Amino acid sequence: DAGVIQSPRHEVTEMGQEVTLRCKPISGHNSLFWYRQTMMRGLELLIYFNNNVPIDDSGMPEDRFSAKMPNASFSTLKIQPSEPRDSAVYFCASSTGFISPLHFGNGTRLTVT
Amino acid sequence: SQQGEEDPQALSIQEGENATMNCSYKTSINNLQWYRQNSGRGLVHLILIRSNEREKHSGRLRVTLDTSKKSSSLLITASRAADTASYFCAFSYGNNRLAFGKGNQVVVIP
Repeated sequence: DAGVIQSPRHEVTEMGQEVTLRCKPISGHNSLFWYRQTMMRGLELLIYFNNNVPIDDSGMPEDRFSAKMPNASFSTLKIQPSEPRDSAVYFCASSTGFISPLHFGNGTRLTVT
Repeated sequence: SQQGEEDPQALSIQEGENATMNCSYKTSINNLQWYRQNSGRGLVHLILIRSNEREKHSGRLRVTLDTSKKSSSLLITASRAADTASYFCAFSYGNNRLAFGKGNQVVVIP
């Protein structure tokens, strides 16, 4: 079991550029979550998928953020255009259900200059 | 906000001592979970306690839940330097909602 795999681990980009974060959940998990972590706001749920369908995207901060899950083994979180305030660590997590324990990837540290 | 609150937010102890941290929440819950995060890594699930349970053990971890006070505690017994991490509570509530606390930083001094 390789766990949840996220790429890239680090991303540095300039304001206005498009950023795409990638996630491969654990095989057999049908729920996938994208979180953002900052010192000020802690862990924030951005979006939650169940069986590849977005269930709750109320945490997506703005239209600049979008997430897709084209199949059970891959998800992306895209920010376009990026802004300095988007700098954070973005985590992907998967589970067998919303109330089941989450398995987190090691995150993508995004820095927007 | 449904975000949980951990207390204390920072704790420094000597190796071998016990570490206790608390979590409070504001709503009725389905279950409460504790996670650990080492620096630069993702969160790792430690233990889950259901709303109808009052206490649960896992190795050196002991979790209690008091739904009347809307609070939970995590006790780490005989702490080790490797226990140095941030600890988060997360509670499941409503229809498919999960909220995390802001975390509790624990430093175990060898």
